[in-house]
Amino acid sequence: EDQVTQSPEALRLQEGESSSLNCSYTVSGLRGLFWYRQDPGKGPEFLFTLYSAGEEKEKERLKATLTKKESFLHITAPKPEDSATYLCAVQANYGGATNKLIFGTGTLLAVQP
Amino acid sequence: DTAVSQTPKYLVTQMGNDKSIKCEQNLGHDTMYWYKQDSKKFLKIMFSYNNKELIINETVPNRFSPKSPDKAHLNLHINSLELGDSAVYFCASSQFKNYGYTFGSGTRLTVV
Repeated sequence: EDQVTQSPEALRLQEGESSSLNCSYTVSGLRGLFWYRQDPGKGPEFLFTLYSAGEEKEKERLKATLTKKESFLHITAPKPEDSATYLCAVQANYGGATNKLIFGTGTLLAVQP
Repeated sequence: DTAVSQTPKYLVTQMGNDKSIKCEQNLGHDTMYWYKQDSKKFLKIMFSYNNKELIINETVPNRFSPKSPDKAHLNLHINSLELGDSAVYFCASSQFKNYGYTFGSGTRLTVV
């Protein structure tokens, strides 16, 4: 069964303290892995798509990497405004040409000033 | 100029009532989705429409009925609401096979 597991569930960092979030997945034929950021009371906001092992994407203080079984979201020198829930999702086959996103339960990141 | 807009943002209703949530996108996308986010923040797909055609219908009680009058609109009607239906419902859109979804801001449904 297709599955996405994120760890840790919650992470508290001091401003400037770098760390990584983990997303491990089981899917029959990965077609894409996605990272989203969700602020309280808002919808998820798209960050990155990764398609193949070894691929990396960067945006400001965030860098996403992908292996055959997991993805990491590295946060370098985080600031309080990086506080949010970070969601990982994999693109899975639904049937025929149709795909769907399967989400993990997210990592709640709090960055203290 | 909101990309994906949902109404209402909050909905409080009694058990047994029927309610609807509306969604509209102005991005020109051809695919729209309904996701349900439970209290543990888990997002699970419910339905997807591509150009007004239902293409994903997950295991959802048939009290939930989506309707897409055109590719820019996707509504969700819920009959005989139950306590367990309380959640945040998100609408999203994308171009078919391009999964950079754009989500709406959600509708928090509370059934009392």
